[in-house]
Amino acid sequence: QKEVEQDPGPLSVPEGAIVSLNCTYSNSAFQYFMWYRQYSRKGPELLMYTYSSGNKEDGRFTAQVDKSSKYISLFIRDSQPSDSATYHCAEGGATNKLIFGTGTLLAVQP
Amino acid sequence: DVKVTQSSRYLVKRTGEKVFLECVQDMDHENMFWYRQDPGLGLRLIYFSYDVKMKEKGDIPEGYSVSREKKERFSLILESASTNQTSMYLCASSGRIYQRNNEQFFGPGTRLTVL
Repeated sequence: QKEVEQDPGPLSVPEGAIVSLNCTYSNSAFQYFMWYRQYSRKGPELLMYTYSSGNKEDGRFTAQVDKSSKYISLFIRDSQPSDSATYHCAEGGATNKLIFGTGTLLAVQP
Repeated sequence: DVKVTQSSRYLVKRTGEKVFLECVQDMDHENMFWYRQDPGLGLRLIYFSYDVKMKEKGDIPEGYSVSREKKERFSLILESASTNQTSMYLCASSGRIYQRNNEQFFGPGTRLTVL
């Protein structure tokens, strides 16, 4: 079993839809939970991070962590064509490494 | 503006060639990483380095080596390139673990094709 499992996608939604991206993890030692966004032909960039169970909101984006279920989600409200990208969940613990999910390709259709 | 740069955006090499991929960061970061990215497999860690001249194997080190002679520079070496090493290669760096929650900053990637 991989340490981090992510819905493979691809996901195609109409503009304005609510998007839900999800990951599960198996290692209870993970302390940090992150979402990276990667546009085509670019490197990933940190979008959101959290280190506690619950919700963290930043504009149209909400990161949700449920440590009891080992489940993390990223919600995008009022999705825009500019949100089209690959989204990677990532988890980290006491080491310098991050463990990434496989990434979900999202396309928001105008 | 923080920056991680990679020496080439696109590279085409022949089977058996020795290939060098260079990465430079200007953030005085201790940690540097090399990943490869393939469709459906996500980001897989090849090697990382937490200090000058220090290195550790990641999940898929076979066929690769690395060099870190200076803090800002981390090189990935393919000793004898093979077609199954055709991929997107991403370099990243991060500061000490208590800084910015271990955020990694990525370069733009090098798309390597081995013929």
